[in-house]
Amino acid sequence: DADVTQTPRNRITKTGKRIMLECSQTKGHDRMYWYRQDPGLGLRLIYYSFDVKDINKGEISDGYSVSRQAQAKFSLSLESAIPNQTALYFCATSDSPGGEGGTDTQYFGPGTRLTVL
Amino acid sequence: GQNIDQPTEMTATEGAIVQINCTYQTSGFNGLFWYQQHAGEAPTFLSYNVLDGLEEKGRFSSFLSRSKGYSYLLLKELQMKDSASYLCAVRDRNSGYSTLTFGKGTMLLVSP
Repeated sequence: DADVTQTPRNRITKTGKRIMLECSQTKGHDRMYWYRQDPGLGLRLIYYSFDVKDINKGEISDGYSVSRQAQAKFSLSLESAIPNQTALYFCATSDSPGGEGGTDTQYFGPGTRLTVL
Repeated sequence: GQNIDQPTEMTATEGAIVQINCTYQTSGFNGLFWYQQHAGEAPTFLSYNVLDGLEEKGRFSSFLSRSKGYSYLLLKELQMKDSASYLCAVRDRNSGYSTLTFGKGTMLLVSP
C-alpha cells in the first residue's frame, strides 16, 4: 500500500463549485503539505501543517483553505473554484528533524489532476 | 525570498554522464534536495545535501557548495528510464519554520 494517498486522482468541475481534495498518510509523519504544479512554474506551496493544531499559509494560499483532521489526514478545499486553479495538486509529508533519523525529507502522494471549466 | 535557477532542458545519450546544475540565493539555507519526476507522476526523493561536498548514491551523486550557492546532480551510465524532470529544492529556515522552495525543474531527455 502507498504511504501517501490522495483522492480523487482526477476531477473535472465547473467554475464556482466547492471542491475538496483529500490526503492520507501511513508514514507517521507530523508534517504535511499541499502544493500545486503548473507547466513552466514548478511546484508552489499552498499550505502546510507541522502538527494537528498548526496551519500555515504558503506562497499561494489565496482561494484555498485546509483542514488537518488528524495526524494522518490533511485536506485542501477550493471554496469557489475558478479556471486558473486548474493544475496538478500534490500532497507531501515529512518527518520533523528532531525525529529519529529525521531529515525533514518530503515524500509526495501521487497527485490529483484538477480541471476547472 | 529565494531564487533558484536550473537549466530548462538538457539532452544526453544512453550510457553517458550528465551534470545538472542548480544555483540558489537564500537567507537561511538549511539543506538542498534533488527530486526526480516522471511526466504526470509524483516527485521522488533522490538526494539531500546540507554540508559542502559530494554525496554518492549508486549512479547518482549530488554536490553542494554553500559559499557559492551552487549544487549539481551527476547522473552516470544514463539509461532511457532516466528521462524525467529533475527538481532542485532549497530548504530555508525563517521564523522557526523550514519549508522547501522548488526550482522549475530541468527536463532531461536521454536518447539511444
